[in-house]
Amino acid sequence: GIQVEQSPPDLILQEGANSTLRCNFSDSVNNLQWFHQNPWGQLINLFYIPSGTKQNGRLSATTVATERYSLLYISSSQTTDSGVYFCAVVRSDMRFGAGTRLTVKP
Amino acid sequence: ETGVTQTPRHLVMGMTNKKSLKCEQHLGHNAMYWYKQSAKKPLELMFVYNFKEQTENNSVPSRFSPECPNSSHLFLHLHTLQPEDSALYLCASSQERRTEAFFGQGTRLTVV
Repeated sequence: GIQVEQSPPDLILQEGANSTLRCNFSDSVNNLQWFHQNPWGQLINLFYIPSGTKQNGRLSATTVATERYSLLYISSSQTTDSGVYFCAVVRSDMRFGAGTRLTVKP
Repeated sequence: ETGVTQTPRHLVMGMTNKKSLKCEQHLGHNAMYWYKQSAKKPLELMFVYNFKEQTENNSVPSRFSPECPNSSHLFLHLHTLQPEDSALYLCASSQERRTEAFFGQGTRLTVV
């Protein structure tokens, strides 16, 4: 099956810093989503981005489908950004990476 | 609020119990999914239903039994579980298979 690798596995930032999270996948995909999992376990949709670039406030994402990767940018990070960020790709069905655990310190 | 509601939010059950997890979506979607999230493991797809028909079963043990009576409701019936089945169980829905998915809040299951 398709392999999804996220990096880095852990990231610690000071409030106000910027960060880039990466998702590599091993085969062509039909779509790609980024999620933020909050401390209570809920997966919050961030982006549905099979290709191209999207922005939503301080967050933006870029997927280069031909090169099989996606990037999630977080600017001016806040403590509420803490949590686990997942990339999920769809070829036959949705498969998740292992996630990046982000901790933003005040 | 994502439009996908799971109940209960927390469940503790003994290994000989029978319980059910419920998922309801108010988005008019046609595909529904069960995922399992164990500690230190990626989310694992368990079951896929498309227009109420089960289209995928990812080698899930028979002690997990899904049911999809209509496109809005999905159940996961549990019986004779093992402690290693303790996990967060997440339900999701999408308009069709392979389109944008939305997740419920999850049920945190502990098997004792």
